[in-house]
Amino acid sequence: AQSVTQLDSQVPVFEEAPVELRCNYSSSVSVYLFWYVQYPNQGLQLLLKYLSGSTLVESINGFEAEFNKSQTSFHLRKPSVHISDTAEYFCAVSDGRGKLIFGQGTELSVKP
Amino acid sequence: DAGITQSPRHKVTETGTPVTLRCHQTENHRYMYWYRQDPGHGLRLIHYSYGVKDTDKGEVSDGYSVSRSKTEDFLLTLESATSSQTSVYFCAISVQGPPETQYFGPGTRLLVL
Repeated sequence: AQSVTQLDSQVPVFEEAPVELRCNYSSSVSVYLFWYVQYPNQGLQLLLKYLSGSTLVESINGFEAEFNKSQTSFHLRKPSVHISDTAEYFCAVSDGRGKLIFGQGTELSVKP
Repeated sequence: DAGITQSPRHKVTETGTPVTLRCHQTENHRYMYWYRQDPGHGLRLIHYSYGVKDTDKGEVSDGYSVSRSKTEDFLLTLESATSSQTSVYFCAISVQGPPETQYFGPGTRLLVL
């Protein structure tokens, strides 16, 4: 069975500092990996995804994630965060057969 | 915007009453999903559908049923609501899958007293 572990439930950081949100997965088959973001009182929005090809994927707002097959990780990074990045971030894995398995979520809190 | 709406957006009900939540999409996507979101658990799949009248159970399906009589509508029913079903419920659709990319509706906050 597949599973996803987000290693930090809360990450506080100061504005303009770098941040890394960690995600590890377990799977015995090829995987497709996703990061979603949920701003307060809103639904989930797709941030970025890895389906195939380059192991480094980027979002339009400066986040990036790297698929590391040997370490079964898909960590999310941003070199300089803004107050507006405050949100909950979810890592998810799919087996390509119609289901997503989500991690428990990481609350990113950006302080001035 | 994947054209997903959910109704109602908020609901308060009493234990033992039936509740139906509706998910509506405007773009005829084949796959639709119902999740619940609870603190510390992320999102957990309740049921999903891969076509009209074709549904299957997810991870936490006990106490829930679904129906899909039209491509655009996916209904989630709590036959007899319990306090443990107090949650935020999200509908999602899958675009260009598998491998799917799922897009989510705005959610329904359900409080069972």
